[in-house]
Amino acid sequence: AQKITQTQPGMFVQEKEAVTLDCTYDTSDPSYGLFWYKQPSSGEMIFLIYQGSYDQQNATEGRYSLNFQKARKSANLVISASQLGDSAMYFCAMREGFGGTSYGKLTFGQGTILTVHP
Amino acid sequence: NAGVTQTPKFQVLKTGQSMTLQCAQDMNHEYMSWYRQDPGMGLRLIHYSVGAGITDQGEVPNGYNVSRSTTEDFPLRLLSAAPSQTSVYFCASSRLFTGELFFGEGSRLTVL
Repeated sequence: AQKITQTQPGMFVQEKEAVTLDCTYDTSDPSYGLFWYKQPSSGEMIFLIYQGSYDQQNATEGRYSLNFQKARKSANLVISASQLGDSAMYFCAMREGFGGTSYGKLTFGQGTILTVHP
Repeated sequence: NAGVTQTPKFQVLKTGQSMTLQCAQDMNHEYMSWYRQDPGMGLRLIHYSVGAGITDQGEVPNGYNVSRSTTEDFPLRLLSAAPSQTSVYFCASSRLFTGELFFGEGSRLTVL
């Protein structure tokens, strides 16, 4: 079974509007972390936001927020006020467990290509 | 601050050739790892290391070797390249207790 599922291969949004990128995950470990990364056409991987499984509040970083619904095992990324520079591939990823050898091991979803229209 | 540096950025190999992808980080991170990125499959973990002298296999380790003799360096070796290893390779590192991965710029490898 897929551990990370991103069901939207591509998304389109108008500049200045908000957009939600979906991510669902599957784990039986009570301790885990969820990440979102952005990959622009230049190819580098840029960390956007992190949510720990025990965090009580949804994570926010500037225009990025993570809509964490633990019971539904979803961790959707919300980008507010989209900009042309937000056009990129977005990956959701999960780390299972805390400490030890778990930190370097992320499982990635297949990604969602976001296109922002002017 | 260079972060994570990968070399080379591009490489073309013939089937059966060997090569090493270099990775160095200057952030004193304990954890280092190698991922490959293929179209439609996201990133998959090849090998990882939790410190000098310690390495372990990830999801897709076959055909690759690694070693970690220093904290800074984590080279990835292809002993006998195959066309199935055509991919973009990312090296990444992270600190203890944070988990956020810092990625290199990637290395595009083509095996003919």
